[in-house]
Amino acid sequence: GESVGLHLPTLSVQEGDNSIINCAYSNSASDYFIWYKQESGKGPQFIIDIRSNMDKRQGQRVTVLLNKTVKHLSLQIAATQPGDSAVYFCADTRGTSYGKLTFGQGTILTVHP
Amino acid sequence: DARVTQTPRHKVTEMGQEVTMRCQPILGHNTVFWYRQTMMQGLELLAYFRNRAPLDDSGMPKDRFSAEMPDATLATLKIQPSEPRDSAVYFCASGPLTDTQYFGPGTRLTVL
Repeated sequence: GESVGLHLPTLSVQEGDNSIINCAYSNSASDYFIWYKQESGKGPQFIIDIRSNMDKRQGQRVTVLLNKTVKHLSLQIAATQPGDSAVYFCADTRGTSYGKLTFGQGTILTVHP
Repeated sequence: DARVTQTPRHKVTEMGQEVTMRCQPILGHNTVFWYRQTMMQGLELLAYFRNRAPLDDSGMPKDRFSAEMPDATLATLKIQPSEPRDSAVYFCASGPLTDTQYFGPGTRLTVL
């Protein structure tokens, strides 16, 4: 992804709904992908990751889907809760460039009770 | 549970002053990263170390920024002299041999 700063995409959902947050990445050589959650005033918090040899990975209430053909990543949150409200970032890297994560611009998720 | 710690959490200083930010990576993590976050630029990688050796600092303004790891439990980011455009939140992150990075709470820097 490319960080562009202002005008982050937003997603508003009702508590209990499922949320889907999307991310496009640009480097076709990327082979490792991470989703982070950042709450106001805090650092990004690791949620889930996936390697390029997989197209789906599940965690607790979260699922990450990877479509390498169109360079697209999505994060699905089941039964969204108010505590899920945050900015969500995807990040990608090439194995040979370990450490150089490229962060997407972020998506603001707001969950209404 | 193990966490990356950063000090100070907030820093307000005047233009021209030296600023030093400190980070304690998670014990056992051999890679340490410094990021800067602003509304305009998002998250930018400034520099990173592996086994205390600098691997890449191409994202850092060399004339005023410096990053070091005096030992495995301490990473520092120094700005001298500071400028108003340096105002941002500075994050430290550390990682093990895998690619996952764990972030600290950040230092919010305001340069007047």
